[in-house]
Amino acid sequence: AQKVTQAQTEISVVEKEDVTLDCVYETRDTTYYLFWYKQPPSGELVFLIRRNSFDEQNEISGRYSWNFQKSTSSFNFTITASQVVDSAVYFCAPRRGSGGSNYKLTFGKGTLLTVNP
Amino acid sequence: DGGITQSPKYLFRKEGQNVTLSCEQNLNHDAMYWYRQDPGQGLRLIYYSQIVNDFQKGDIAEGYSVSREKKESFPLTVTSAQKNPTAFYLCASSPWGSYEQYFGPGTRLTVT
Repeated sequence: AQKVTQAQTEISVVEKEDVTLDCVYETRDTTYYLFWYKQPPSGELVFLIRRNSFDEQNEISGRYSWNFQKSTSSFNFTITASQVVDSAVYFCAPRRGSGGSNYKLTFGKGTLLTVNP
Repeated sequence: DGGITQSPKYLFRKEGQNVTLSCEQNLNHDAMYWYRQDPGQGLRLIYYSQIVNDFQKGDIAEGYSVSREKKESFPLTVTSAQKNPTAFYLCASSPWGSYEQYFGPGTRLTVT
């Protein structure tokens, strides 16, 4: 069975602080994909990043960076110099590696990030 | 503009009535999905369809039905058999062979 855990329910920071959102994905699969989505107050989910289980190279895109460590099943997301517009719920969503019903994304419960001015 | 349209944004119904939520996409995506989101929770998959005239149940299909007669459209009917229909419903689509799913703006359904 697969299990995705976002232990942080809510995080509150002051603008310009760095913030890291944690995600742990427990699975026996050797191939899988990990996604992060952002859900602003408007409700629509916005795709942020996809990582493959066989690629542990960390990635930086502007103020966003991702740290994937397969040994600890963690896929963490860091926002550098946070801004008020970053306020949203962030979801970690793994997907199994092969076809059929494995197209399904399994969503964590999300982390509500509030960035205060 | 390409995208996924869900209408209406807010929907109110009386208990015991069936209601159909619309989802249309002009992205030429093959696969489409319906998710349900409850307050403070992640999304749960209701139904998905990888090609026209074919669809599969997700984790919480009971009380819901779908059809996929056209590539662009994947309507969801919430039947009176759904015990707790009040929720936020999100439709998504993805191109063939792609892993990313792209979401519509959602419909907030309230049943009283």
